[in-house]
Amino acid sequence: DAGVIQSPRHEVTEMGQEVTLRCKPISGHNSLFWYRQTMMRGLELLIYFNNNVPIDDSGMPEDRFSAKMPNASFSTLKIQPSEPRDSAVYFCASSLARLAGEQYFGPGTRLTVT
Amino acid sequence: KQEVTQIPAALSVPEGENLVLNCSFTDSAIYNLQWFRQDPGKGLTSLLLIQSSQREQTSGRLNASLDKSSGRSTLYIAASQPGDSATYLCAFSGNTGKLIFGQGTTLQVKP
Repeated sequence: DAGVIQSPRHEVTEMGQEVTLRCKPISGHNSLFWYRQTMMRGLELLIYFNNNVPIDDSGMPEDRFSAKMPNASFSTLKIQPSEPRDSAVYFCASSLARLAGEQYFGPGTRLTVT
Repeated sequence: KQEVTQIPAALSVPEGENLVLNCSFTDSAIYNLQWFRQDPGKGLTSLLLIQSSQREQTSGRLNASLDKSSGRSTLYIAASQPGDSATYLCAFSGNTGKLIFGQGTTLQVKP
């Protein structure tokens, strides 16, 4: 199994640009989670999906952030327009269970907004 | 608001030592607690998951315990090795299903 796949691994962009992060969960997993990690705030849950449906997006910081899961094998997290304070590592994770099952994390995307 | 606290923030030990990492949480309505390992620049690797009905879980040299009444979990690492050097994160899950992470303990095991 390839595990959770994220792309790109690194992204450097200028303030105001649109950023799209991509995630492929482990095959057969029906829950998908997007997290953000910063030194100041640690790991925070942004949004999670179950069976491709967004269940809780209360962690999404602003309307500039949006996430989609068009099918069971693909999800995107979009930031538009990006700001320097969005610089962080964004992780995607997947799980077999909807609530609090063991989560498997991808390698992350390191985003730098200048 | 649920808070997860990990103590100490950093720890340096000589190889071979047994050590304990601590995690405390404020909400007693726990669903499960997970311990993760994070290597620099990498994602998280799940180490152990303890359901609320369990008191401990073991995997190799690792043992995690859960005490719901005191709101604590510990991760015990036996006979530490330089390869154990990493950041260890605990994550609490309540009835919402969300994982709330602690800030982590950064461990360095010196050869």
